[in-house]
Amino acid sequence: NAGVTQTPKFRVLKTGQSMTLLCAQDMNHEYMYWYRQDPGMGLRLIHYSVGEGTTAKGEVPDGYNVSRLKKQNFLLGLESAAPSQTSVYFCASSYPPGGLAGVGEQYFGPGTRLTVT
Amino acid sequence: AQSVAQPEDQVNVAEGNPLTVKCTYSVSGNPYLFWYVQYPNRGLQFLLKYITGDNLVKGSYGFEAEFNKSQTSFHLKKPSALVSDSALYFCAVKGYSSASKIIFGSGTRLSIRP
Repeated sequence: NAGVTQTPKFRVLKTGQSMTLLCAQDMNHEYMYWYRQDPGMGLRLIHYSVGEGTTAKGEVPDGYNVSRLKKQNFLLGLESAAPSQTSVYFCASSYPPGGLAGVGEQYFGPGTRLTVT
Repeated sequence: AQSVAQPEDQVNVAEGNPLTVKCTYSVSGNPYLFWYVQYPNRGLQFLLKYITGDNLVKGSYGFEAEFNKSQTSFHLKKPSALVSDSALYFCAVKGYSSASKIIFGSGTRLSIRP
């Protein structure tokens, strides 16, 4: 199993450009998440999905959009990049909390380092 | 509202000595508690979790964590540190409600000197 994969690994954008980050998981997890990691701030949840075709806002959703057209994929889009979006982006997936599936510990991808100039 | 605090940005320990990385939390009702580790240029890896039952939880790589309800703490411990334990450690908390999200602390950088 590849687990959680993210593409691309690195990207440099100019202010105002757009891009899409792709996350894929092969663990048949229902839940998927996008986080950003900034120094001294831990991980902040951008958007998440509890199943195919559903998405919801997290803690810092402004400036981002997401789509979950297939269970295994979760896309994060930046329509008009800003320097404040310079960060490392992590995707994660998990089973739903409860029952034999556990309490939803998350499995993370390797991250995408995005720089917006 | 849920919150989690890691009061130390950095912890320095000599190899072979015991280590502790501190975590305190705030959540309504009973918590689910987690520790994750992040090595350089990698994603977070799950180390251990507390759900219910025994207050001492054992996890990967010889780590353990002690749940203390009265002090609302979940400190990560290891009896004998290795240089390879040097990494960034995150504590996380989740409420019992299925609608509750995992909240991560700001992280503690653990540095083990030979």
